[in-house]
Amino acid sequence: DAGITQSPRHKVTETGTPVTLRCHQTENHRYMYWYRQDPGHGLRLIHYSYGVKDTDKGEVSDGYSVSRSKTEDFLLTLESATSSQTSVYFCAISEKTSGGNNEQFFGPGTRLTVL
Amino acid sequence: RKEVEQDPGPFNVPEGATVAFNCTYSNSASQSFFWYRQDCRKEPKLLMSVYSSGNEDGRFTAQLNRASQYISLLIRDSKLSDSATYLCAVSFVGFQKLVFGTGTRLLVSP
Repeated sequence: DAGITQSPRHKVTETGTPVTLRCHQTENHRYMYWYRQDPGHGLRLIHYSYGVKDTDKGEVSDGYSVSRSKTEDFLLTLESATSSQTSVYFCAISEKTSGGNNEQFFGPGTRLTVL
Repeated sequence: RKEVEQDPGPFNVPEGATVAFNCTYSNSASQSFFWYRQDCRKEPKLLMSVYSSGNEDGRFTAQLNRASQYISLLIRDSKLSDSATYLCAVSFVGFQKLVFGTGTRLLVSP
């Protein structure tokens, strides 16, 4: 299994509080991603990173920010959590191969509940 | 129209059966294709990449039909342990991002 960890694994918080989720990899992969997964919507990309300090928005980026100060860490921050951000959050990593393939490998996920 | 679509199922099959899922994609510039398996309350795990010529891994066969813009996953001799949700994922030329389908649920019964 790819060396990806996420912390915390579970979190319950209240509306309006800031929350930071951490993704840590030991694979030295260039690309890192944050997804959320909700019933009926599948996996949706929030933000991704293509290198240290290089990030870009995904399809559901509103209300989220990210930072990547080291290759191994990618942080997702909810500045002011809302109930609509209750979800399961997955981090993923990938490394583009010479063949152009870009398989992604996922962390174990963080279950976030916003009350 | 969604970029990547899957029949949500569930597909209920007995052990030993052969089952196939399709996944359609809308962008003809799609470049890479994957099947992932996701168990309940777990992370998606890469099952196999899908190559233009088709590929096989044990009981699993993946195929790509560019003309009709779909990929397929065939599972032969289904096992109880195959019960899971199968997600397809597609990436487009020049992008390192994947777009996922919502998944097809498979239930294999004794």
